[in-house]
Amino acid sequence: GAGVSQTPSNKVTEKGKYVELRCDPISGHTALYWYRQSLGQGPEFLIYFQGTGAADDSGLPNDRFFAVRPEGSVSTLKIQRTERGDSAVYLCASSSLTSGDSTDTQYFGPGTRLTVL
Amino acid sequence: AQTVTQSQPEMSVQEAETVTLSCTYDTSENNYYLFWYKQPPSRQMILVIRQEAYKQQNATENRFSVNFQKAAKSFSLKISDSQLGDTAMYFCAFLLSGTYKYIFGTGTRLKVLA
Repeated sequence: GAGVSQTPSNKVTEKGKYVELRCDPISGHTALYWYRQSLGQGPEFLIYFQGTGAADDSGLPNDRFFAVRPEGSVSTLKIQRTERGDSAVYLCASSSLTSGDSTDTQYFGPGTRLTVL
Repeated sequence: AQTVTQSQPEMSVQEAETVTLSCTYDTSENNYYLFWYKQPPSRQMILVIRQEAYKQQNATENRFSVNFQKAAKSFSLKISDSQLGDTAMYFCAFLLSGTYKYIFGTGTRLKVLA
């Protein structure tokens, strides 16, 4: 595709429910990032994938959060037993890693706004 | 741990004027990268400019330039000839060399006035 896409654009769920957020990176991009952006804050790093593997998941807040990228392209962020504090915009970004490190330009998706009631 | 601070929550500037957004950071490391990202109301973030810490020369991209003061741990963004399309949230970000964990500041909301 032309850019990074994320679905759904908005998700409203009830406390305790399970949600999945999807990210389609730019075709061919090896690196994929997930961020969480709470109201009035900057993006907060959650997890980084290089190919299919999570190279750094140190930003995941607890074990209710999990992300996969089984074929090295599409990624899904999974949140179990959602809490009201999980409400935020979840951003995905991808980059090409042509320079061999993580400083290549990140291309961000529009985000998924998650609201937990 | 590294931190990024943007002390100006909101700023405004007249069209065609120049504005400077401030960013300070804290790290004990020597090799890192600094970035400015723009997030327009449509929400999709885009990279504005980047600076390698080992480079003394300040980065420039068209109307956007930075003032990188490594000793002071300061990384300000100057926007010249401001345009209405520059209205957005601007985030300063830090990346330690060899890592993947970008650290963003809380952002500055810039409004360009006609």
